[in-house]
Amino acid sequence: GAGVSQSPRYKVAKRGQDVALRCDPISGHVSLFWYQQALGQGPEFLTYFQNEAQLDKSGLPSDRFFAERPEGSVSTLKIQRTQQEDSAVYLCASSPGQGLGTEAFFGQGTRLTVV
Amino acid sequence: DQQVKQNSPSLSVQEGRISILNCDYTNSMFDYFLWYKKYPAEGPTFLISISSIKDKNEDGRFTVFLNKSAKHLSLHIVPSQPGDSAVYFCAALSGGYNKLIFGAGTRLAVHP
Repeated sequence: GAGVSQSPRYKVAKRGQDVALRCDPISGHVSLFWYQQALGQGPEFLTYFQNEAQLDKSGLPSDRFFAERPEGSVSTLKIQRTQQEDSAVYLCASSPGQGLGTEAFFGQGTRLTVV
Repeated sequence: DQQVKQNSPSLSVQEGRISILNCDYTNSMFDYFLWYKKYPAEGPTFLISISSIKDKNEDGRFTVFLNKSAKHLSLHIVPSQPGDSAVYFCAALSGGYNKLIFGAGTRLAVHP
């Protein structure tokens, strides 16, 4: 596809369940970012990949959150033992160069609801 | 601590008039600022940006003004159109860093 694709679009998880969120960046894009957007708030940075290397994971809120991009393209954000406060929209963005800024393209997001 | 603040959660403007969206920041290390526009059920899309070495950047109906001494920036949309109705996010970036810091957003409604 032409844009950043995220799946699933919506996910309902029972508290304690593990979830995996997928991001397909634009083909050839070097940089990939994950953001978390809580209701009524702006997106908050979670982690950043340059190709397969995770260069910054300072935004991951706990060790229950894990992200990977093993072949430098598709990325997966995994949340273990989900809790209600994990309910949010998870946004993925990619950019062709080594960084963000004007070249970043965001996906539609995955809305996670933990019940 | 919120480093980027958008204190107006919503704004309603009549079609054809000017929309002014405001943003304040606290970190003097920020050197690049961006505005994103977000429609419901879509991801944010880039709108316009400004470097800290400038005080104004214009692109068609959109102009961003930066006041470094006040740590304040604003987005002007003129004339406003109904299709401009969306949530607008202000974001900041510091040099050599890849982490965008977003404000909470302002919901703009442009009515006929």
